[in-house]
Amino acid sequence: AQKITQTQPGMFVQEKEAVTLDCTYDTSDPSYGLFWYKQPSSGEMIFLIYQGSYDQQNATEGRYSLNFQKARKSANLVISASQLGDSAMYFCATHYDQGGKLIFGQGTELSVKP
Amino acid sequence: NAGVTQTPKFQVLKTGQSMTLQCAQDMNHNSMYWYRQDPGMGLRLIYYSASEGTTDKGEVPNGYNVSRLNKREFSLRLESAAPSQTSVYFCASSENPSGGLQETQYFGPGTRLLVL
Repeated sequence: AQKITQTQPGMFVQEKEAVTLDCTYDTSDPSYGLFWYKQPSSGEMIFLIYQGSYDQQNATEGRYSLNFQKARKSANLVISASQLGDSAMYFCATHYDQGGKLIFGQGTELSVKP
Repeated sequence: NAGVTQTPKFQVLKTGQSMTLQCAQDMNHNSMYWYRQDPGMGLRLIYYSASEGTTDKGEVPNGYNVSRLNKREFSLRLESAAPSQTSVYFCASSENPSGGLQETQYFGPGTRLLVL
């Protein structure tokens, strides 16, 4: 069965520094996607970045990049030049079964210090 | 750009009462989803609709029913609310249920439900 593991319940980072949020996954599907979402204290779920399992390059979206290591089944989110507004919960997700159903990790709470 | 909208934003129910959570999307997406989020946890899928006219169970469907009213609207009904259903409920939509970036799900703002 598919599974997402985020081992860091909480992380601190100094403003303007880079931070890596860990995500490992377990899936039996030959083709899959990996997603990262941000949930600020206001509660909404904001899509950040997507990585397809057959994509040749690691995904990037502005200050967000995904360190995708397929053999290790890891899809870590890297946030460069952290900002105070990056303080939030971050969730990693992938599919289970078919039909676009997502399974989420338990999340990592990131706090950016000034 | 409204995206995905949900009503109500907050609701208090007594055990045994029923209610319907409404969700609508204006992105012409084919697929829609209902999730619940409990404290300290990620989201868990309740029901989904891969396309108009179809619905199917997710990870935690017990105690819920859904209706895909049309392509835009997907409602979640609690027939007899229980305290265990106290949660934040999110609706989401995606262009397609599978196939690369098109499967990215976009979420509504959530409904906070308290069952006493």
